[in-house]
Amino acid sequence: TQLLEQSPQFLSIQEGENLTVYCNSSSVFSSLQWYRQEPGEGPVLLVTVVTGGEVKKLKRLTFQFGDARKDSSLHITAAQPGDTGLYLCAYDRGSTLGRLYFGRGTQLTVWP
Amino acid sequence: DADVTQTPGNRITKTGKRIMLECSQTKGHDRMYWYRQDPGLGLRLIYYSFDVKDINKGEISDGYSVSRQAQAKFSLSLESAIPNQTALYFCATSNGQGNTEAFFGQGTRLTVV
Repeated sequence: TQLLEQSPQFLSIQEGENLTVYCNSSSVFSSLQWYRQEPGEGPVLLVTVVTGGEVKKLKRLTFQFGDARKDSSLHITAAQPGDTGLYLCAYDRGSTLGRLYFGRGTQLTVWP
Repeated sequence: DADVTQTPGNRITKTGKRIMLECSQTKGHDRMYWYRQDPGLGLRLIYYSFDVKDINKGEISDGYSVSRQAQAKFSLSLESAIPNQTALYFCATSNGQGNTEAFFGQGTRLTVV
């Protein structure tokens, strides 16, 4: 059972376009994490969202945690080829369990 | 030098062979993980370890075993490799404090023929 559903699975856009990818669940999370994985590399943490309704910005990337803490979105403004990669959301089952579970990811390709 | 180092980077092995993937870290973290990545399936947890004496199965542990030789070293073994174990394998570490950030190695691309 996939607890985290990410959509779309693939996204191919031109440089300069805006996009939003989603991470949804029927479960409530204490926090969600977003990672980006570039070809040939391991995933790297972009942000952790903790509070319902929270919005965090990282340059052109805007992350939002749903009010009910069941979903999150990532919006990229004016995408660039350097944004190409696999975007993964993950949840932490708590410090006592310490296991990170990942969604299947959104593969983003930004063409020049 | 990378904080989390995996060896080998690439490996081709034959069906039925035993193979070990190794991971070492310099971050001083207690928690280490092995994940498997397949196209369209994201990262799936194979095994994880909270300290040297603690080993736990993840989502897909069948066909795999692990050894935590030291705080800094965590190896994954395929006792008898089969073709559907062809995948990209990642080792990761975390400090287990609060919102756990995972630090990943570069991955091992394993092909079983």
